[in-house]
Amino acid sequence: NAGVTQTPKFQVLKTGQSMTLQCAQDMNHNSMYWYRQDPGMGLRLIYYSASEGTTDKGEVPNGYNVSRLNKREFSLRLESAAPSQTSVYFCASSEDRAYEKLFFGSGTQLSVL
Amino acid sequence: KQEVTQIPAALSVPEGENLVLNCSFTDSAIYNLQWFRQDPGKGLTSLLLIQSSQREQTSGRLNASLDKSSGRSTLYIAASQPGDSATYLCAVNNNAGNMLTFGGGTRLMVKP
Repeated sequence: NAGVTQTPKFQVLKTGQSMTLQCAQDMNHNSMYWYRQDPGMGLRLIYYSASEGTTDKGEVPNGYNVSRLNKREFSLRLESAAPSQTSVYFCASSEDRAYEKLFFGSGTQLSVL
Repeated sequence: KQEVTQIPAALSVPEGENLVLNCSFTDSAIYNLQWFRQDPGKGLTSLLLIQSSQREQTSGRLNASLDKSSGRSTLYIAASQPGDSATYLCAVNNNAGNMLTFGGGTRLMVKP
């Protein structure tokens, strides 16, 4: 049972570089989410996708773009990385809405130098 | 804006002790509340979800209660074990939408 799979687990970028974080779920969930976790700030929602083909901004969307490639996959792209984007990124999914049980991936630790 | 606070930030107890973790929220008009567990370097695992109409939920040695009017929830862990050592987070959903507001977590260490 894979659940929610994120890649990569670790990444170091230089300021201005771009990268895409990949996320896939095998639970046939409709909704998928990207969160970032920072010390003292808790988890904050970056973007979410309520269903295939739709995406919406969360609390901290600036500097990020997302793509819901199909029902299984939801990617997060940093076009021009900044040190403020150093964080741990989590992908999550739920059957329908965030008021249902959330399933999280194991996270991507990103450092931007 | 909803704010969720968890106190204490860290807790260390001897094995076997019953313990209570606290979660408070400023806007009592919540739809539901979830408790999560996070192990170091791992993602979050949902432990219990309480709907606004419910008073409590139980799973094994865990019991979560909800008092909407006072803006509080507690997670009770009975007969704690070293394997319970982790960070516990609560999160509230205000409007049945897609936004959860998370607390900062309580880091629990259970000593053998």
